This record gives sequence, C-alpha cells and structure tokens, in this order.
Amino acid sequence: DAEITQSPRHKITETGRQVTLACHQTWNHNNMFWYRQDLGHGLRLIHYSYGVQDTNKGEVSDGYSVSRSNTEDLPLTLESAASSQTSVYFCASSESGMGQETQYFGPGTRLLVL
Amino acid sequence: DQQVKQNSPSLSVQEGRISILNCDYTNSMFDYFLWYKKYPAEGPTFLISISSIKDKNEDGRFTVFLNKSAKHLSLHIVPSQPGDSAVYFCAASNSGNTPLVFGKGTRLSVIA
Repeated sequence: DAEITQSPRHKITETGRQVTLACHQTWNHNNMFWYRQDLGHGLRLIHYSYGVQDTNKGEVSDGYSVSRSNTEDLPLTLESAASSQTSVYFCASSESGMGQETQYFGPGTRLLVL
Repeated sequence: DQQVKQNSPSLSVQEGRISILNCDYTNSMFDYFLWYKKYPAEGPTFLISISSIKDKNEDGRFTVFLNKSAKHLSLHIVPSQPGDSAVYFCAASNSGNTPLVFGKGTRLSVIA
C-alpha cells in the first residue's frame, strides 16, 4: 500500500545542532509539505514543494530549509536548532494539477530541543 | 491575520447527540474546504471536503455545510460516538495549487 512515512518519530537534540527530519512518500505525489503543530497555533506551514527542484517558503520558514532531489523525499533541516523549534512536525503530500486536492499526512516527528 | 478561524477550542457532547463544529474564513478566494481529524500521537487524517459550488456534502455520519455569503462552514456529526473524540481541523484553499490554510483546531470530547 502507498504511504507516507517520517523518521525519526522522536528526537532529542541540543541547541545549535543541525537536525534533519526525513519524509518519504510512495504515492508518487508531486506536492509535499512540512507543518509544525504547537498548542494554540494549530498546523502552520513551514516549507512546501510542487515538484523536483522546487521549494517554497511557508508561514514559519525561518531557521528551516528543504531540498527536493526526487519525487519521494522532502527532508526538513533545522540549520541550528533552537528551543523555539521544539514541536511536533508533520509531513504531507498531495497530487498536483487538480486544484482541489486532499493532503495526506505522515505520523509526525516529535522534536525536543534542549 | 488568521484566514481560517475555529473560535471554539473545545466542545463536549453526549454520546448519540449531534456535534457541530464551526469554522469561519476571511479570504473570499477560497473555493475548497476540508475537515481533518487528529488523534493524539497520529497525523491528521482527511475526513470530508466540500467545493464552493456546493452548499452541503454528506458522508455517512458526517455532513459539511458551506455558507459562502457568511464565509462559514460547519461539520455535523450525527450521532456522535466516543471514537469521534479528537481534534478537528478546518482547512481551506483556492484552486491553482496553493497550499491549504488550517484553523487552530477544535477538540471534541464525546462523553458516554
């Protein structure tokens, strides 16, 4: 069955370290998204991609970067982790070219920055 | 500026009764609306959607109503079941590959 996976599921790191969260989907979707979920803020968009070599900034992109070298993967990198980046991170994907498409979410990565 | 607002952070309903979750939006260009359900420690899962050409969409116990003039949509769950206890997110987009905009969510508790 096609799916979207995230790894690791839990991560503890220290401030200033670089961290990369992986996202892999097997639906062959062109669109991929990264969100963070925080209490009182709901789901906020960090970065998104509409295809290989395409990346775009979302609402809360400062301190994060992504790269899209193939259809299946969109890794999220925290260049220098900060305590404010402690959060739950969700990756999602959707088909392209339909206009009104549904996003499908991964199980999430819980990140703690000490 | 919040474009999608869920003004009720939480809602409690008795099992068997109707649950009504509300969502307001400010961007008149939005033409596609979705509801997602999220259990703790899991990713959000798609529940139901509605296009702006409709004012109602029904799927089993779940019905979404759209009032474009009021820029308001609601999710009705009838009858409510304990397994419906979750956080519900409203989301909206306009056609043309723009990302979804999510509300902050409403936590529904269905009491047996």
